[in-house]
Order: sequence, then structure tokens, then C-alpha cells
Amino acid sequence: DTGVSQNPRHKITKRGQNVTFRCDPISEHNRLYWYRQTLGQGPEFLTYFQNEAQLEKSRLLSDRFSAERPKGSFSTLEIQRTEQGDSAMYLCASSFGDSYNSPLHFGNGTRLTVT
Amino acid sequence: AQSVTQLGSHVSVSEGALVLLRCNYSSSVPPYLFWYVQYPNQGLQLLLKYTTGATLVKGINGFEAEFKKSETSFHLTKPSAHMSDAAEYFCAPRGFGNEKLTFGTGTRLTIIP
Repeated sequence: DTGVSQNPRHKITKRGQNVTFRCDPISEHNRLYWYRQTLGQGPEFLTYFQNEAQLEKSRLLSDRFSAERPKGSFSTLEIQRTEQGDSAMYLCASSFGDSYNSPLHFGNGTRLTVT
Repeated sequence: AQSVTQLGSHVSVSEGALVLLRCNYSSSVPPYLFWYVQYPNQGLQLLLKYTTGATLVKGINGFEAEFKKSETSFHLTKPSAHMSDAAEYFCAPRGFGNEKLTFGTGTRLTIIP
């Protein structure tokens, strides 16, 4: 168990640019989640995958956001035409199985700053 | 839909004193309940969880929480605070049929030497 890995740890970009983040979940974890956290707030759910299928998307996820999980392994979160309001910590988490009591294991996040 | 209230965005306690962080959830169905801790510039780490069975749950680092259905509460406690406990703490209920955790706004715990 090497933990959930997220890259990069920090990303600074100019408004209007596209950015892509990567998440490598714990191996054999079939569920993968993306959350966004702004300063002083709890994480807000963005989307989640079961294997390669994206099963739920939050209304927070505008058309500029897209997430993929090809082959049910790693996942990418892309933000197109970034805005200053996209500045936040983007957290990835994974869990195993279908039980609602399975805890989520979080990565250390990618901090995005849009200038 | 699940919602959660964490009373007190900031809590300060002296080293060695009791830690009490409050969490109330709203639901007509007893949910699964989780407490997570977040250290600066890091992700969230699971402290403990309640699913079924014993209502007093013990977690890592000496923390425990008690599920009280009548009060819809799941307060986090630790008998004696340590400097290393300084962090942000999040309560998160998860209802049956709900795939995602809903996090509270968090409580920042400061330990006074």
C-alpha cells in the first residue's frame, strides 16, 4: 500500500490556460473520487468513478472541467480556460469495494494557483 | 441529503487538557460517520469511523467518538491534548445509498503549550 499519489503537488498557471492533474489511487481500489477544497472550507465533492465509469458529477463541475479514468487505474482532472476562482486544493481519494462504510484514502492534493 | 454541522471553527485547548470537537448531522436514517484529520498542506487522514455496533468508537492517536442517535451527534474527544494534535478536523457523514462523503466546514484545533 503506497498510498494515493497526486501530481503535481503545486501548479501555478495564468488565467485562460489549461491544466491537467493526475491521481494514482491505491492499487486494486475500484473507486476514485475528486474533491476541491478552498481555504477555510471542507472538501467539496466533484466527481467519482467506479472502475472506469464516471458515475456522478457535482453541479460544481462546470463544462470546463473534465475527468477521466481510462482502464480503471489512474485518473486525470483537466480544467480548461482556467479562472481565478479555480484556485484551490484538488484532492483525490480512493476506496475499495462497494460498501458504504469503506473509508476514503486521500492523496496530499494538488494546489492550483491561477494568476 | 446529508448535512453536517461542526460547531466552532476554531478550538484552542491547553496541552494535556481534554479535547472536544462537536459534530451534528441531519438525517432521518442513521448514517455512517467518519472523522478525518488534515495537517497543513496535506490530504485527509482517517481518524475513526462509525458503521454499526458499538456506539463508542476508538481511533488513532488516542481519539474516540460516540455516536448518539437521539442527539444526531458524533463528537470527537481525546482525554489529553498533545502538541502534535494541532490540525484541522473534519466530520463526514455518509448515508446509505450515497456514494460520496459530505464534509463539514472543519474545526481548527490549536494546542496551547
